Amino acid sequence: KQEVTQIPAALSVPEGENLVLNCSFTDSAIYNLQWFRQDPGKGLTSLLLIQSSQREQTSGRLNASLDKSSGRSTLYIAASQPGDSATYLCAVMMDGQNFVFGPGTRLSVLP
Amino acid sequence: GAVVSQHPSRVICKSGTSVKIECRSLDFQATTMFWYRQFPKKSLMLMATSNEGSKATYEQGVEKDKFLINHASLTLSTLTVTSAHPEDSSFYICSAREASGAFTQYFGPGTRLLVL
Repeated sequence: KQEVTQIPAALSVPEGENLVLNCSFTDSAIYNLQWFRQDPGKGLTSLLLIQSSQREQTSGRLNASLDKSSGRSTLYIAASQPGDSATYLCAVMMDGQNFVFGPGTRLSVLP
Repeated sequence: GAVVSQHPSRVICKSGTSVKIECRSLDFQATTMFWYRQFPKKSLMLMATSNEGSKATYEQGVEKDKFLINHASLTLSTLTVTSAHPEDSSFYICSAREASGAFTQYFGPGTRLLVL
């Protein structure tokens, strides 16, 4: 059974810092991996999607990497801003059907 | 990008009543829709997968008679929480996958259910 973990569970940083969020998964037979952002009481916003054959994806200040063999992904946020404060969820897709979500990292960027 | 809506966004009901939540794909056809449940400060847990025109597939531990799912059209799936109890209070999120065959899922904004 696939299990997804995320470290740290919570993170508080001053504005401007670069930061790394970590995601680990136990079964490397994934179809893809996706990072989402969730604001309090809201739905999910897709940030980056990495196919199983890819190593990384970039969008603006965000960079996500994938090492499928070791079951790890990282989300790098450059020059963090208060507007980046949210919960970041890592999810892996198995067999192109279902997502398995990690517990999330709650990020607070202090002005 | 594709848009998925949910209605209502939040609902408060009395214990014992039934509540229906709608999930709509607004600008694409979705052969498959997924229903997730999220407890406070916890991650999303898949409840069931529904395919248009067929019965939903429920995850282990999810009572199908408690959480009725109907996917009658390519743009609408409904989740009915029957005889709701306070422990059913949660955040329910649906997602939809395009009929084109791509595996991209689009998530709805969620529905907050509070059962008194």
